[in-house]
Amino acid sequence: DADVTQTPRNRITKTGKRIMLECSQTKGHDRMYWYRQDPGLGLRLIYYSFDVKDINKGEISDGYSVSRQAQAKFSLSLESAIPNQTALYFCATSGPRGGRGYYTDTQYFGPGTRLTVL
Amino acid sequence: GQQVMQIPQYQHVQEGEDFTTYCNSSTTLSNIQWYKQRPGGHPVFLIQLVKSGEVKKQKRLTFQFGEAKKNSSLHITATQTTDVGTYFCAGYPTDSWGKFQFGAGTQVVVTP
Repeated sequence: DADVTQTPRNRITKTGKRIMLECSQTKGHDRMYWYRQDPGLGLRLIYYSFDVKDINKGEISDGYSVSRQAQAKFSLSLESAIPNQTALYFCATSGPRGGRGYYTDTQYFGPGTRLTVL
Repeated sequence: GQQVMQIPQYQHVQEGEDFTTYCNSSTTLSNIQWYKQRPGGHPVFLIQLVKSGEVKKQKRLTFQFGEAKKNSSLHITATQTTDVGTYFCAGYPTDSWGKFQFGAGTQVVVTP
């Protein structure tokens, strides 16, 4: 969905490096999520945020941290990358239709960031 | 561990045939959502079911939510090549609002 953007789209880094993945959205949604996707495991929730001051750990938060700089921006950081963090990372948002009104749990995904840790 | 299980993991279908993919949760879900991910793409929302026993249809796709709100199914009739992709179910337990769990997905391959 073009309303949810992720940067970078691809990244190769080395073990031990700090890396940040960024997500921005123009949908006016208050909820944002970070997932990682690995073959055969589906999508696993890393962190989720219901608003700027409300951040929650997901299923696999160890080794990751997040920052919700504004309603529209949610960043994921790997403080010291390791090879088993090689994966496809997706950001997603949910919120009221059109940014206001009836709330829906529908998640809108960004295009993903493919991260390789050597 | 993964609490939302999907079967089968892979589904090879002849064009024109029907198939069903199943989703089972160890906990009661607030609602169930289904997403489709085309190869190289990102998950795209298909539908949400909220009520116990609910059935919804989208053209050739029929979605069902179990009476106990712990299982769901997606049935596709007369499969077409455009149905290729991975189908995921997702939901969150009633006591963990917003903490989404996705199934591992069913990868569908269609043979012409």
